[in-house]
Amino acid sequence: AQKITQTQPGMFVQEKEAVTLDCTYDTSDPSYGLFWYKQPSSGEMIFLIYQGSYDQQNATEGRYSLNFQKARKSANLVISASQLGDSAMYFCAMRLMNTGFQKLVFGTGTRLLVSP
Amino acid sequence: DGGITQSPKYLFRKEGQNVTLSCEQNLNHDAMYWYRQDPGQGLRLIYYSQIVNDFQKGDIAEGYSVSREKKESFPLTVTSAQKNPTAFYLCASSGVAGLSTDTQYFGPGTRLTVL
Repeated sequence: AQKITQTQPGMFVQEKEAVTLDCTYDTSDPSYGLFWYKQPSSGEMIFLIYQGSYDQQNATEGRYSLNFQKARKSANLVISASQLGDSAMYFCAMRLMNTGFQKLVFGTGTRLLVSP
Repeated sequence: DGGITQSPKYLFRKEGQNVTLSCEQNLNHDAMYWYRQDPGQGLRLIYYSQIVNDFQKGDIAEGYSVSREKKESFPLTVTSAQKNPTAFYLCASSGVAGLSTDTQYFGPGTRLTVL
């Protein structure tokens, strides 16, 4: 069965510092995609970054980068130069590519608090 | 602006009543989804639809029903058969059903409370 594990219930970081949010996944399928979403207190899920299992390079989107270590089955999100607005819940999700539809499996999330 | 709208933002329901949550998108997306989120947990898939007039059950479909009569609309009905309906409900859509790299985009959510 496919599973996403986020072991950090909460993380604290000071403004302008970098932070890494952990995500490990479990699947026997060789073709999959990994996503990170941000959920602020308003509730909306905001897409941040995507990594495909066959991508050769780690994905980057502005201050967000994904540290993809396929052998370890980890897909950690790195946020550089944290801002107060980064305080939110962060969810890692996985999708299998060979299924007939785009089912996302979510982890339980990590709450990030950025302090001044 | 293109996006996904959900209404209402907050919904209160008495036990034994059916309620319908609205989800509309103007992104011209083919696929739409309904997820449920409980406190301290990730999202779980209730129903999804890849095309108009077709929908499939997700992992927790019992006590819910949907329809997909128009491409842009995917309403969710929470029936009285749903034993624990209090939760946060999120609607999502993606551009091309089945496309491997396609991303799901979410609406702002509806918080349902059963009194």
